[in-house]
Amino acid sequence: GAVVSQHPSRVICKSGTSVKIECRSLDFQATTMFWYRQFPKKSLMLMATSNEGSKATYEQGVEKDKFLINHASLTLSTLTVTSAHPEDSSFYICSARGGSGSWTDTQYFGPGTRLTVL
Amino acid sequence: KNEVEQSPQNLTAQEGEFITINCSYSVGISALHWLQQHPGGGIVSLFMLSSGKKKHGRLIATINIQEKHSSLHITASHPRDSAVYICAVSEYGNKLVFGAGTILRVKS
Repeated sequence: GAVVSQHPSRVICKSGTSVKIECRSLDFQATTMFWYRQFPKKSLMLMATSNEGSKATYEQGVEKDKFLINHASLTLSTLTVTSAHPEDSSFYICSARGGSGSWTDTQYFGPGTRLTVL
Repeated sequence: KNEVEQSPQNLTAQEGEFITINCSYSVGISALHWLQQHPGGGIVSLFMLSSGKKKHGRLIATINIQEKHSSLHITASHPRDSAVYICAVSEYGNKLVFGAGTILRVKS
């Protein structure tokens, strides 16, 4: 099946710094990428949807200036957590959808990035 | 009430047992997904279905659109099946709405 990678897999940073997480589709072109956040023992929550070459659409309650999303190419989307605080510590997962961009296309999930803010 | 409800929340089975995980949803959907998340966190998409039944190896997924219900079955369960199984539905459009997940532990 299609492969989506995330980098880094784990990051620890100091409060106030910014952290960038990359999401790559390795063997297909992703017209749409999704960013999710998962708290311990909770399910995934959609943060934003990004389409290549256009601005991301953020879910209600997600600060777009804090969680910067860039989908500059059909194989790469980045999530930057700016001025990170301990409450931003979480597991961040991306998914990518290729094909025609229809709902019938499967979403392929990345392995996730665990962010710890000290 | 959550839009996607899964049951059971936790399930412990003996190796070889037949396992069923249920998912009920309350919204109109275009598709339903079953996902598997291992302890390391990575998620694998098992099935996407909008009607009927799909089978892949020892896994079977069914959906009843009228009853807004889906089941994931695992035949001849094995310890390596231990994971969190998540039901998610696509509302008309892009978004996936996730269930809380079912923690499955298969003992040898």
